[in-house]
Amino acid sequence: QQQVKQSPQSLIVQKGGISIINCAYENTAFDYFPWYQQFPGKGPALLIAIRPDVSEKKEGRFTISFNKSAKQFSLHIMDSQPGDSATYFCAASIWQAGTALIFGKGTTLSVSS
Amino acid sequence: NAGVTQTPKFRVLKTGQSMTLLCAQDMNHEYMYWYRQDPGMGLRLIHYSVGEGTTAKGEVPDGYNVSRLKKQNFLLGLESAAPSQTSVYFCASSYGAGRYEQYFGPGTRLTVT
Repeated sequence: QQQVKQSPQSLIVQKGGISIINCAYENTAFDYFPWYQQFPGKGPALLIAIRPDVSEKKEGRFTISFNKSAKQFSLHIMDSQPGDSATYFCAASIWQAGTALIFGKGTTLSVSS
Repeated sequence: NAGVTQTPKFRVLKTGQSMTLLCAQDMNHEYMYWYRQDPGMGLRLIHYSVGEGTTAKGEVPDGYNVSRLKKQNFLLGLESAAPSQTSVYFCASSYGAGRYEQYFGPGTRLTVT
């Protein structure tokens, strides 16, 4: 049972464009939704995260949009740069439990210059 | 402050051999986790620990054992390696007590022949 579905699997965006990655979850108990960025040969790095008490969170060029009723959340990368080329994972968990993150399968982003 | 470190970085095992992966963190985190990452599968939780001396099973625990004898260390053991355990293994940690952001180590690439 895949509790977090991520799309697309891969994405090619031109430099300066907007990258959008979507995730959908099934478990309504989830209340913590982070995004991780991973470069080849490196561990995932926490990029940005949101709790469901807000519908949007912005940090620099990265924005999470959250739709609780639709059980969906998305990552928007504004003014995409070649240095943003990486694999992005969405995840979800029950915050108070402090337990496992349930990850999506990842999106490989390539930003062409 | 090294964060989360993992030893070794690479390892090749023959089927049936055993080994232990070491994870260490210097952030005084209470919670620690072991994930495996396989192509197209995202990250899946193997075992986790919510404190020294405690461990719990995750999504894919079969074939692995863990120990948390010291707060800063979390060991992952493979008693009899199988080719299906060829993967990249990531350790993560979080502070706990209301702060559950997970921070990942650089990974161990394990090949079982």
